[in-house]
Amino acid sequence: DTGVSQNPRHKITKRGQNVTFRCDPISEHNRLYWYRQTLGQGPEFLTYFQNEAQLEKSRLLSDRFSAERPKGSFSTLEIQRTEQGDSAMYLCASSRRGGKGNSPLHFGNGTRLTVT
Amino acid sequence: DQQVKQNSPSLSVQEGRISILNCDYTNSMFDYFLWYKKYPAEGPTFLISISSIKDKNEDGRFTVFLNKSAKHLSLHIVPSQPGDSAVYFCAASAKTSYDKVIFGPGTSLSVIP
Repeated sequence: DTGVSQNPRHKITKRGQNVTFRCDPISEHNRLYWYRQTLGQGPEFLTYFQNEAQLEKSRLLSDRFSAERPKGSFSTLEIQRTEQGDSAMYLCASSRRGGKGNSPLHFGNGTRLTVT
Repeated sequence: DQQVKQNSPSLSVQEGRISILNCDYTNSMFDYFLWYKKYPAEGPTFLISISSIKDKNEDGRFTVFLNKSAKHLSLHIVPSQPGDSAVYFCAASAKTSYDKVIFGPGTSLSVIP
């Protein structure tokens, strides 16, 4: 169990630029989740995958956001035409199956995005 | 509309004493509840959970209590240790979508030696 890996750890970009983050889940986990966390708030659900299928998306995920998990392994989260309001910590998590206690979410250390 | 609330942003407790962290929820469809702990610069880590069919679950120094009628749960840490200093998130999910875990805003616990 090498843990969930997220890259990069930090990203600073100018407003209007596109950014892409990568998440490598724990290898035997078939579920992968993206969350966003802003200062003073808990993680907010964005979307999740079961294998390569994206099963649910939050209304927080505007048209500028797209997530993929092409082979059911790693995932990417792309934000197009970034806005200052996109500045946040983007967290990825994985689990064997649904987020119940016997298969809790394992989080990575996140990618901190700053949009200037 | 915050479905999971943690009304105390911070809490300070002396080492060896009990820490009690509270959480309230509004969605009556929630039937599975979790606590996560987060250290600075790290992602949250799972601590303990409870299903709505129970009113108590223990794991070592950590106990979670659930009061369904009040839509309230609490996490007790006894005895508190300095290494417990972290942000604690209450979270919940519904049987209709266990994969969509909803988190509260967190309570920052400081355990003073």
